[in-house]
Amino acid sequence: DTAVSQTPKYLVTQMGNDKSIKCEQNLGHDTMYWYKQDSKKFLKIMFSYNNKELIINETVPNRFSPKSPDKAHLNLHINSLELGDSAVYFCASSPFPGTYEQYFGPGTRLTVT
Amino acid sequence: AQSVTQLDSQVPVFEEAPVELRCNYSSSVSVYLFWYVQYPNQGLQLLLKYLSGSTLVKGINGFEAEFNKSQTSFHLRKPSVHISDTAEYFCAVSENSGYSTLTFGKGTMLLVSP
Repeated sequence: DTAVSQTPKYLVTQMGNDKSIKCEQNLGHDTMYWYKQDSKKFLKIMFSYNNKELIINETVPNRFSPKSPDKAHLNLHINSLELGDSAVYFCASSPFPGTYEQYFGPGTRLTVT
Repeated sequence: AQSVTQLDSQVPVFEEAPVELRCNYSSSVSVYLFWYVQYPNQGLQLLLKYLSGSTLVKGINGFEAEFNKSQTSFHLRKPSVHISDTAEYFCAVSENSGYSTLTFGKGTMLLVSP
């Protein structure tokens, strides 16, 4: 009964490649998020979608393109991967935008070599 | 814009001892406050939240936190810790306005030893 799931859990790839991470939530929430956790464990919001519409884009390079086919899914596509993209990426969801508690997925550890 | 400061990057403590993890925030508007826990190689789990009402908030696993508006603090406490409480703890704030995002502190690693 996983509430927020992500695939894959681990992703190792070379610089310059393009990769995608998928996220699904079965909580019936309207809002989904992508966060990046760096090597020092600092968590920062990247994007937020509410009912398939982008509502927050925190100055993330345009190599990162989120896509929400429906409100239960939010995928993250990354073009031309760079070493600095190595991090753990977390998907999260909440009933409403912003002010309510968020439920996090298990994370995807991306390693760019 | 809001910000969160977690004063201690690491807190070592013996099993069954009490612990307090400190969190201060900054915001020009009213806020909602949260503590999340991250066990090794896992996602974040909500421990407790303050939205309004009583300033003493109780959460899961015996944790509690007190919202202090005058000191802009939201410290996390547990009277007696277990080995299994070893984890990274994140304080987070969200402004009570529009499409506000969660802003996280840098985390405090709680290390419980026997």
